[in-house]
Amino acid sequence: DIQMTQSPSSLSASVGDRVTITCRASQGISNYLAWFQQKPGSAPKSLIYAASSLQSGVPSKFSGSGSGTDFTLTISSLQPEDFATYYCQQYNSYPRTFGQGTKLEIK
Amino acid sequence: EVQLVESGGGLVKPGGSLRLSCAASGFIFSAHSMNWVRQAPGKGLQWVSSISSSSIYIYYADSVKGRFTISRDDAKNSLYLQINSLRAEDAAVYYCARGGDHDYWGQGTLVTVSS
Repeated sequence: DIQMTQSPSSLSASVGDRVTITCRASQGISNYLAWFQQKPGSAPKSLIYAASSLQSGVPSKFSGSGSGTDFTLTISSLQPEDFATYYCQQYNSYPRTFGQGTKLEIK
Repeated sequence: EVQLVESGGGLVKPGGSLRLSCAASGFIFSAHSMNWVRQAPGKGLQWVSSISSSSIYIYYADSVKGRFTISRDDAKNSLYLQINSLRAEDAAVYYCARGGDHDYWGQGTLVTVSS
């Protein structure tokens, strides 16, 4: 199975900050990497697919990069609604696997 | 507008069974693979099962293999998850999600396991 490791597990930031979350795959997954945002009590929401493509309707403040084993999600100009938990997921092979999540909190 | 609506969750005793449903609308259901993902209380996301279009390919997480069965009815635009031999560790919110990249998710249905 491919293990997905996110870092950091939690992150404190202020409104207006720019933050980066990292996701590392235990083996190469090309660009079959997605990022999701989840707020308490809500379903996950897809932000990015194919490592760097923005889902329709997702603001351009979210950006993704990477290929192979190392990936990043960057969120610029943080707003209160961006504070949530973020997950990466590989869909290169089965079983699909998620990172453990990164909780983004307000400083 | 793409919509996925799960139902069928509830309180079940260990060893019991449940059938979850996911009603899809707003897209050509038959053209997409579909997935079940679960989230135990306070925990992260765990992929459970996937089914390809036309039900040609079916995959399960090792933790549910032999106990869970995924299926779809394209005529009814519906996805199903038959859950048997329920264990305490199966308690979670179960989400259905569309496609390889899980681009749309339902709101989830809660499965509680307790005697």
